[in-house]
Amino acid sequence: AQSVTQLGSHVSVSEGALVLLRCNYSSSVPPYLFWYVQYPNQGLQLLLKYTSAATLVKGINGFEAEFKKSETSFHLTKPSAHMSDAAEYFCAVSESNFGNEKLTFGTGTRLTIIP
Amino acid sequence: GAVVSQHPSWVICKSGTSVKIECRSLDFQATTMFWYRQFPKQSLMLMATSNEGSKATYEQGVEKDKFLINHASLTLSTLTVTSAHPEDSSFYICSARVRDRAYQETQYFGPGTRLLVL
Repeated sequence: AQSVTQLGSHVSVSEGALVLLRCNYSSSVPPYLFWYVQYPNQGLQLLLKYTSAATLVKGINGFEAEFKKSETSFHLTKPSAHMSDAAEYFCAVSESNFGNEKLTFGTGTRLTIIP
Repeated sequence: GAVVSQHPSWVICKSGTSVKIECRSLDFQATTMFWYRQFPKQSLMLMATSNEGSKATYEQGVEKDKFLINHASLTLSTLTVTSAHPEDSSFYICSARVRDRAYQETQYFGPGTRLLVL
C-alpha cells in the first residue's frame, strides 16, 4: 500500500521568500513521485515528477523537489515566491511496478503569498 | 505537454436526471484514463480506471451502476452519473495516462467538471 502525507494544509509566505511544501510518502516498492498544482476551479497541472533518475528534480515555474529515500520525503521548494504561485499543491505517489499506475494523492497544501 | 479536455466545464441538473461528462485526449492516444472526484477543500479520490475497449475498474465503494464509464475510443472516455442526487454534487476530474519511450508513466489532468444537482 502507498500513502502520502503533506504536512501543513496551509502555508503562507511573503512574496520573494522561500517556498517549502512538505511531502512524505510510504511505498512498498521504489516510488514514482509527483507534485501537481491546482488553481481555483481548474484541474491539476503537473509541476514535476521523480521517476528514479536524478534525485533533484526541476519542474516548471521555478519549482524543484528533492527525493530523499532515507527520509522518505519529496519536499517542493522555490527560492523566491511570486504572487502567481498562490494555489493548492498536491503531492502524489504511484508504485513503479509496470502496470500499477494508480496515483495516491496527499490532502493538499494551500499556498498563500503575502504581498 | 499532453492536453486533456473535459466537457462540460460545469453543469446544473435536477435530481433524478442523468449527466454525461466527456474526457478527451487532444493530441495523443490514451488507452487508460482515470476518473477522480474532489470534494471542496479535499484531495482527489480515484473513482475508476477506464481502459479502452474493456470494462472500467472501479475503486472500492464506488457504485458502478451509478457511475457508468465508457471508453469507446483511444481519445474519449465518458462518465455518466445516473439518476443524480444532491450528494453527487462534486468536482469530477479525469486524467489520461501517457507512457513515454522509457515506459515511464505520467497522468495529465483535464480541467474538471463541476456538477451541481438540485
